[in-house]
This record gives sequence, structure tokens and C-alpha cells, in this order.
Amino acid sequence: EPEVTQTPSHQVTQMGQEVILRCVPISNHLYFYWYRQILGQKVEFLVSFYNNEISEKSEIFDDQFSVERPDGSNFTLKIRSTKLEDSAMYFCASSERGHTEAFFGQGTRLTVV
Amino acid sequence: GNSVTQMEGPVTLSEEAFLTINCTYTATGYPSLFWYVQYPGEGLQLLLKATKADDKGSNKGFEATYRKETTSFHLEKGSVQVSDSAVYFCALSDRIQGAQKLVFGQGTRLTINP
Repeated sequence: EPEVTQTPSHQVTQMGQEVILRCVPISNHLYFYWYRQILGQKVEFLVSFYNNEISEKSEIFDDQFSVERPDGSNFTLKIRSTKLEDSAMYFCASSERGHTEAFFGQGTRLTVV
Repeated sequence: GNSVTQMEGPVTLSEEAFLTINCTYTATGYPSLFWYVQYPGEGLQLLLKATKADDKGSNKGFEATYRKETTSFHLEKGSVQVSDSAVYFCALSDRIQGAQKLVFGQGTRLTINP
């Protein structure tokens, strides 16, 4: 069964460093998403991406964040200068069309020290 | 804005017990409603969904009915198994066009003891 895969499963980084979280969406999907879950809190929408551009972003997704689809298979989330409060589980998701089921990856746990 | 509220966890039950996890929502318009499940070490998986009032979503013995009058989408299962131990998330999406944006509840951790 097709699935969304994320790498790495766990990343530890020092405050101020740049990190790139990687995702391989399901191959025929056109919409891509990032969500995050700070420990003990709700899963929160960060950004949606369609047709090689951001279609919507939340207030969390400030200038420190960027997304990219560098080739036909990968979808990345970059945090330019990490802060302690960026520590969270980051989930990538994709959907075939905008209103159809979103399939989630297993998440990347980011720890900023 | 849109929001989802779930019953506080954790919830611990014995095998074969009846399960209810409450979920209520606040939304403008007519959202679609979802239950996602996260098993240990895995990602979020769609468990069931309902797209309009009075629809019942069902899967793996779980059911939830979209109740517009009470703005609720409670998850139920008649007889739980140890393998149902997971975190359950209620969510809504108010999009009918364009990219879907899910709004999640805080999750409810369910533990089933043999």
C-alpha cells in the first residue's frame, strides 16, 4: 500500500542551527502538507502546498520556515534558525486532491537543545 | 475560528468493554468530520469520516455519527480489543475546494487491558 515516508525519524539539533525535514509523498498526490505537534498539545496545521507554491500557511509558519519540492518526489520543510520552542513532532501529509483523504507520515521528532 | 474539543484522556478500559470518546466542534458552515488514530510508533491514520449531517462513518468496528444539532462526532465501539490501544484524534475540515486544512482535537490516549 502506498505510504508517506518521512526522514529522519528523530533529529536533534542545536539552537540556531538550520534543519531540513524530508518527506516523500504518495506518488500521484498533488497536495502536500506539514503539521506539527508540540508535546502534550494539539496537532497544528503549518502549511499546504500545491502546484509548486504555498496555498495556505498558518501564523506559526513565519519567515523562519520554508517548504520546497526540489524534485518530483521529495517535499521538504526547512527551519532556518531553530529555537527551543520548535521542538515538536512534525508530520507530513499528502492528498490526491484538495478535499480527499490526507495520508500522514509517521512523523519526525525534532529536539532543539 | 474553527475548533475541536475531545474528552480528556487517558482512557483505560478492559477488553470487550464499550468505548465512547466524546468530540464536539465549533465551525462555520458545514465541515467534514474525521477520526484519526495513531498507533505506537506510527503516523496518523484515517479511521473514519463523515461529510454531512446525520452521516455515520464506520471502520474496524468503530462508528461515529455527524450530529449537527449537538455539533458532535462521538467515537464508539461496542467491544474493544487490546490492539485498539492508541491515540485517537477528532478533526474537522471546512474545505470543499482547494487544499484541505485539518483542525485537530488534542487527542485521547486509549489503553485496553487484557
